This record gives sequence, C-alpha cells and structure tokens, in this order.
Amino acid sequence: EAGVAQSPRYKIIEKRQSVAFWCNPISGHATLYWYQQILGQGPKLLIQFQNNGVVDDSQLPKDRFSAERLKGVDSTLKIQPAKLEDSAVYLCASSLTGAPDTQYFGPGTRLTVL
Amino acid sequence: QKEVEQDPGPLSVPEGAIVSLNCTYSNSAFQYFMWYRQYSRKGPELLMYTYSSGNKEDGRFTAQVDKSSKYISLFIRNSQPSDSATYLCAMSPPGYQKVTFGIGTKLQVIP
Repeated sequence: EAGVAQSPRYKIIEKRQSVAFWCNPISGHATLYWYQQILGQGPKLLIQFQNNGVVDDSQLPKDRFSAERLKGVDSTLKIQPAKLEDSAVYLCASSLTGAPDTQYFGPGTRLTVL
Repeated sequence: QKEVEQDPGPLSVPEGAIVSLNCTYSNSAFQYFMWYRQYSRKGPELLMYTYSSGNKEDGRFTAQVDKSSKYISLFIRNSQPSDSATYLCAMSPPGYQKVTFGIGTKLQVIP
C-alpha cells in the first residue's frame, strides 16, 4: 500500500511571497489532515477534511492560509503572504475512519521563510 | 498551562537499557492516548495506542495510562540504536476530535 505523498519536500521563499503544498492521501482514506510542526514542537492541527468538507479549521490562520481538497482526494495548502514565523514542516496525514489512532503521516514539506 | 506537557530531553542511554518516556496532561476529557515515533526528516508513525486507562504491551514497548494522575508513560525494553528518534505523545477526547501532541522527547541509544 502506497503511503501519503507530499510535494515539494523542501521550499525556501522570501517573506511576503506565496507558496503551495500538495498532498495525495492513501487511496480510499476519507479523512485528511494538515499539521504544522515548528522546530522543537509537536505537530499542530491546521485543518481536517472529511471527504471534501471541512471538519475543523479552528487553528488555521485564515487571513493568510487556505486549503482545499479536490474531489475528496488530493489537497493543497497555500500560504499568502508568508511570514518568517511560518517556517516549519507541514505534515499531511490521512485516515480511513477518522479515528485518532488511524492517522498515517506523509514525510512533510520543510518550509523556510527568509 | 499547556494541555500536554512532555520533557524534550535529549535523553541518552546505552544500548540494552530500559527507557521511560512520560507525558502529563490537564484535559480530563482525553480518552485516546497515543505514542508516535518520528525519525529525523520523516513524518510521525504510530507506535502504541491506548483507550482510557490501563497498560498495553507490544514486543519491547509498553504503554501505560494513569487517568487519575493525568500521566502516561512509554517504556522501551532492551533499547536498540534503531530506537533513536523523537517520541511524541498524543491525546484526544472521544468522538474523533482533534489530536493534541506533546513537543516530543529526543532519544539517543548509544551502541
């Protein structure tokens, strides 16, 4: 079974630029999550999708972050404009059932904002 | 006060030692308790999962939950160099709600 795919793996941008990350979940997984992991911290949930509907986006900074899940499969996370404090690893995870013990994580995208 | 507290370490032990990793939490609604292992530049992978209180054993790993003390532990027996990683505790309330992670403890097992 193929795992969660993310791209790009690394991205360096200047502050105020925009950036987009892509995630392809495990086939058949209805629930998709985006997490932000700042260096030295645990992952923080940004947004959770169930199929293509948003379940929880309470911690998403909506003035600059946006996310969509196309046809309930792939998802993109966008930051516009980026700030220095957005430097982090952005992790995508997916789950077949949405149960907390069934999340499979991708390798992450490491973003550096200069 | 953070909902989940975890000592970041680093923790350095010799090969073969018993390792004890711990987290405390403040939210009494948490019912699902998980431990993830994260290797450098990789995503977290689920190691152990416990629902409510009690112990769970899987090979060299044992997870314990003490809800009365709001304290969870992960024990690793006969630690190996391949166990060197960051260990994240994670918890959530019932009903498939948001998972809250600790900051992770970095473990190094020295051959």
